[in-house]
Amino acid sequence: KQEVTQIPAALSVPEGENLVLNCSFTDSAIYNLQWFRQDPGKGLTSLLLIQSSQREQTSGRLNASLDKSSGRSTLYIAASQPGDSATYLCAVEYSNYQLIWGAGTKLIIKP
Amino acid sequence: DAGVTQSPTHLIKTRGQQVTLRCSPKSGHDTVSWYQQALGQGPQFIFQYYEEEERQRGNFPDRFSGHQFPNYSSELNVNALLLGDSALYLCASSLRDPFTDTQYFGPGTRLTVL
Repeated sequence: KQEVTQIPAALSVPEGENLVLNCSFTDSAIYNLQWFRQDPGKGLTSLLLIQSSQREQTSGRLNASLDKSSGRSTLYIAASQPGDSATYLCAVEYSNYQLIWGAGTKLIIKP
Repeated sequence: DAGVTQSPTHLIKTRGQQVTLRCSPKSGHDTVSWYQQALGQGPQFIFQYYEEEERQRGNFPDRFSGHQFPNYSSELNVNALLLGDSALYLCASSLRDPFTDTQYFGPGTRLTVL
């Protein structure tokens, strides 16, 4: 069964800290992996997409890595800001076009 | 450039009723996917439409059905509503490009079943 797990479920850190969010998946035959952000009561915003042939992607203060062999991805956020507070979701796409999602990590950045 | 739009924003129904949710994809996108997101959980894949046909379906009963129109917009229909159908329903569009393939999401429709 294809499953995606995110740890931790919630994280609270002071502003300015660097932090890492984790995502693991059981089936390594992925098509791509995406990290999304969801603000309360709102839809999802794509942050980074990593194709199966890639090892990492960067956008501004965000860096996502992918290790297919171990079934893991990490999202690194540098110099965190209060505006980064949101729920971060990891989603894995397989060749059957389905996105399989983790339950998310709720991130709170304290000013 | 308009992104993905969904209507209505909120909806309240009673058990046993039927509901139709609508989605307009981002300009230029030809693929629409629907997801159900219960409170505190990640989204669950319902189905995906491409070229007006259901290309893939998740683990949802036949009460959930959909349609894609020639202009690529899509509808999600749910019959015989249950309390457990209360959730945020998200629509996502994409262009089946193997090098980008990012899905763009609409704001969702919040369905409450009483």
